[in-house]
Amino acid sequence: GAVVSQHPSWVICKSGTSVKIECRSLDFQATTMFWYRQFPKQSLMLMATSNEGSKATYEQGVEKDKFLINHASLTLSTLTVTSAHPEDSSFYICSASRSYRGDTQYFGPGTRLTVL
Amino acid sequence: KNEVEQSPQNLTAQEGEFITINCSYSVGISALHWLQQHPGGGIVSLFMLSSGKKKHGRLIATINIQEKHSSLHITASHPRDSAVYICAVRGTGNQFYFGTGTSLTVIP
Repeated sequence: GAVVSQHPSWVICKSGTSVKIECRSLDFQATTMFWYRQFPKQSLMLMATSNEGSKATYEQGVEKDKFLINHASLTLSTLTVTSAHPEDSSFYICSASRSYRGDTQYFGPGTRLTVL
Repeated sequence: KNEVEQSPQNLTAQEGEFITINCSYSVGISALHWLQQHPGGGIVSLFMLSSGKKKHGRLIATINIQEKHSSLHITASHPRDSAVYICAVRGTGNQFYFGTGTSLTVIP
């Protein structure tokens, strides 16, 4: 159990377009979902934490108007990168937790975004 | 200075060797996580610790809260253990801090 999927796994888009990434908990209810980004050869950077039905909490330095997060149900959270630019190219990973504290996180396989 | 420091950054071992990866942190924590990231990018949560020691198969994780230090041990290492191992801590204010990872290669 505790499987998390992400879609798409890989996306290329033109600069200025918006891209939506989905994160789904397939066999459990995820009270809390986390969004991370990872640059090549670097560690994870937490972008935001979202609890179902409430607004996401963004980490310092992350633009909430650029990275829109919606957690409308207990099994789905979406990250929309608005007006994407080449510097947004990165590996985006979500994780999901059954608890509000996010003590045990189950990670999705990641989405590689390339903005041309 | 990073809140979480890992060592070594890179590690190459022969199959069967005992491996230790270290993690030191400088903040108060509510929990420490060990994560494994495979070359394709997928991440698996190996352990969550707040005290003592946990064991799962060939993996052992320990934490010393007073010394702010944790170790991840792999016994009888195998090529499939090759991955990046990441130490992450959850601060008492619910922030997450991540180490830069230890890249492990186990040679047959």
